[in-house]
Amino acid sequence: DAKTTQPPSMDCAEGRAANLPCNHSTISGNEYVYWYRQIHSQGPQYIIHGLKNNETNEMASLIITEDRKSSTLILPHATLRDTAVYYCIVSFRGQGSGNTGKLIFGQGTTLQVKP
Amino acid sequence: GAVVSQHPSRVICKSGTSVKIECRSLDFQATTMFWYRQFPKQSLMLMATSNEGSKATYEQGVEKDKFLINHASLTLSTLTVTSAHPEDSSFYICSASTGTTDTQYFGPGTRLTVL
Repeated sequence: DAKTTQPPSMDCAEGRAANLPCNHSTISGNEYVYWYRQIHSQGPQYIIHGLKNNETNEMASLIITEDRKSSTLILPHATLRDTAVYYCIVSFRGQGSGNTGKLIFGQGTTLQVKP
Repeated sequence: GAVVSQHPSRVICKSGTSVKIECRSLDFQATTMFWYRQFPKQSLMLMATSNEGSKATYEQGVEKDKFLINHASLTLSTLTVTSAHPEDSSFYICSASTGTTDTQYFGPGTRLTVL
């Protein structure tokens, strides 16, 4: 079962910031928050991840609350090409599977960027 | 960097035949690869995890004798759907990780249609 809760859909005006929330109240100390997005009929695209500090890269910013129970992905200037399903995932490490944890995808948030 | 390819992108086969899907990490060595399946209007479902040189670990409910996974090198994993049936028609997506972080990079997916 997914360990995160996201709104099923959101709209955003082109050029405005898109703020996508995610709740992960049962996150444990060594689990990261990952964000991916999936444009229709394509493989998911990695956006950003974080442990407890806020993070920023060329695609987005990730704001994680101090208690780590929720986070917000920010797309500073949304474009029509940002229309996609956005997945917030908490990563855990599976026993015996090396150093890479499994990603369990929930239903995500469908972001529709409108002109 | 971190490019993952899949081949073929689309395949149509007759019921009862076997289909092989390749997943390659093009610019990094992938110690761990994952296979997912996605049905229309649903989220990605993890099928199995494979570490190079080891047997794959399958998720509960996934038949290991039907979905054969081979991860013979650090850049290639294959998924063979044996004795395919129409209900196996789906979007199959692989991902790869270096193992030093939990970040997975996804391939573009393979659309399988079984007639």
